[in-house]
Amino acid sequence: NAGVTQTPKFQVLKTGQSMTLQCAQDMNHNSMYWYRQDPGMGLRLIYYSASEGTTDKGEVPNGYNVSRLNKREFSLRLESAAPSQTSVYFCAIHVGLMNTEAFFGQGTRLTVV
Amino acid sequence: AQSVTQLGSHVSVSEGALVLLRCNYSSSVPPYLFWYVQYPNQGLQLLLKYTSAATLVKGINGFEAEFKKSETSFHLTKPSAHMSDAAEYFCAVSGLNTGNQFYFGTGTSLTVIP
Repeated sequence: NAGVTQTPKFQVLKTGQSMTLQCAQDMNHNSMYWYRQDPGMGLRLIYYSASEGTTDKGEVPNGYNVSRLNKREFSLRLESAAPSQTSVYFCAIHVGLMNTEAFFGQGTRLTVV
Repeated sequence: AQSVTQLGSHVSVSEGALVLLRCNYSSSVPPYLFWYVQYPNQGLQLLLKYTSAATLVKGINGFEAEFKKSETSFHLTKPSAHMSDAAEYFCAVSGLNTGNQFYFGTGTSLTVIP
């Protein structure tokens, strides 16, 4: 989708394991976002990065860390996965003046058992 | 706080019938409003957006939405449903009031009955 690439697409973790979700964009935009999508709850913002070198918490940051490695890449890390983190994770970039559009990656479907 | 309410988590229509998906927002300042569509196992794709220009917005695949400030609504419509319209639809809001963050509704799953 529109130059936002996420890896992996699927992942199964055991409780307590760690992993990093990768996101890269080739649209040269400053702001990047991580959302989680859960049934009946829509998309909720986990963390975002308004520009390279800056990160901020969103609505549901607990249990996650992020790194804005450079302008292209924004990673999401689960240090100790919990079943409550079973979800579909989307990376997005917000573009346009006043962030008038969001482009999403294809998503990472994570299951924590 | 900004919020978006989508009435009806599941909507079923017959093929060829009118599609109406409801979205209401809460904001003291006119926001930017969006409808996104999500097909199974895919990311979200922009259907249409309102950014303070024309109140009737036309999008892809024959969808349109009307911004009604007096009703704080941005309902999505399509005159004639097609089987390929079956998907999850999300209303979202952003703008000055949200610090330019996006806030999403909980989604409406559209089923099209042949």
